[in-house]
Amino acid sequence: GENVEQHPSTLSVQEGDSAVIKCTYSDSASNYFPWYKQELGKGPQLIIDIRSNVGEKKDQRIAVTLNKTAKHFSLHITETQPEDSAVYFCACGGGADGLTFGKGTHLIIQP
Amino acid sequence: NAGVTQTPKFQVLKTGQSMTLQCAQDMNHEYMSWYRQDPGMGLRLIHYSVGAGITDQGEVPNGYNVSRSTTEDFPLRLLSAAPSQTSVYFCASSSGGVRGPKYFGPGTRLTVT
Repeated sequence: GENVEQHPSTLSVQEGDSAVIKCTYSDSASNYFPWYKQELGKGPQLIIDIRSNVGEKKDQRIAVTLNKTAKHFSLHITETQPEDSAVYFCACGGGADGLTFGKGTHLIIQP
Repeated sequence: NAGVTQTPKFQVLKTGQSMTLQCAQDMNHEYMSWYRQDPGMGLRLIHYSVGAGITDQGEVPNGYNVSRSTTEDFPLRLLSAAPSQTSVYFCASSSGGVRGPKYFGPGTRLTVT
């Protein structure tokens, strides 16, 4: 089955700086790569996703890049704000087995 | 729309007891799924359904049953609770051919003693 590695497990950045979280995957058949944000005590929230026929997608301060050859994809958050503090999960899949999730990155925005 | 709703929010069970976690969505989504979340483990798929009357196993199905008699409801049954099933359970739904969760419910925190 699919194996997803997510790094780093904790990321602390100064408010206003950029944050980058990276994931690698093993199954070249994966064609859907979403990112989720989970705030304390809540369910995950889909924040951006990308399909395998696209290399990059941007939505305001959030962007995702995909390198299918190297089997990795990344989440980029620019101009970080205190409300960006949360746990972020990558996932991939899209076939009959659904998604496989990374273990999460705890993003801390330092004031 | 209420989105994805789950009940109860919290539950404590004794080993061997059974219970049903309820999940409902009002978005007419065909795909629904159940995940469990454990510290340091991310989210792991228990069971999923691609439409009413169709269910399938995910990564960690043992000890759980599901059914999908309507598009809206997707209950998860614990047959005989074990301490290893202590976890936070999330139900999710999506549509448009994406076989993965787009909208998650608020979760049920289950403790088995």
